[in-house]
Amino acid sequence: GAGVSQSPRYKVAKRGQDVALRCDPISGHVSLFWYQQALGQGPEFLTYFQNEAQLDKSGLPSDRFFAERPEGSVSTLKIQRTQQEDSAVYLCASSLGRSIYEQYFGPGTRLTVT
Amino acid sequence: KQEVTQIPAALSVPEGENLVLNCSFTDSAIYNLQWFRQDPGKGLTSLLLIQSSQREQTSGRLNASLDKSSGRSTLYIAASQPGDSATYLCAVADAGNNRKLIWGLGTSLAVNP
Repeated sequence: GAGVSQSPRYKVAKRGQDVALRCDPISGHVSLFWYQQALGQGPEFLTYFQNEAQLDKSGLPSDRFFAERPEGSVSTLKIQRTQQEDSAVYLCASSLGRSIYEQYFGPGTRLTVT
Repeated sequence: KQEVTQIPAALSVPEGENLVLNCSFTDSAIYNLQWFRQDPGKGLTSLLLIQSSQREQTSGRLNASLDKSSGRSTLYIAASQPGDSATYLCAVADAGNNRKLIWGLGTSLAVNP
């Protein structure tokens, strides 16, 4: 079956622009996670959804970051007024269960803010 | 605060060698530990997941062990192949908040033919 897909794969934004990153999880997966991975670093947790409910957004670095999953399937991570420090790969993962069982990752979106 | 450290940061070995990657964590109260592989330009692939009650997991040439009391996990790769070249990441889910994975920086592995 299809895995987790993310779009766009690459995004270049000028500082101050708003961007929206999309994640399509594996069908039927209850849990969805967003991570930010800076160059040479491990991923950093951003936020977690269980179905449509955002249960943990403690990793979002500022109020410029907003995530939603309105129908419990596709999720969008929005970054307003992008800054250079937002440049990173944004990874989405989904998991079948409500706890952290095996997570399946998408290929990521590489965001470059110029 | 849980912290995850991976040693070595980089490793280069000739094909056929058996090798060990190390992961240590500061808080032994974990829910589970996962090993992932990351290839350049691609997403993360889960290799092995060890629940806190388990001591090891095996998949093909890979074996991961977990020693919670000492805060350590090792990933053993037998008979390494050039196709094993990738970055290997260790991630821990805390018992107190098992929705959040805390990651190491990874070990970059190069297996030379």
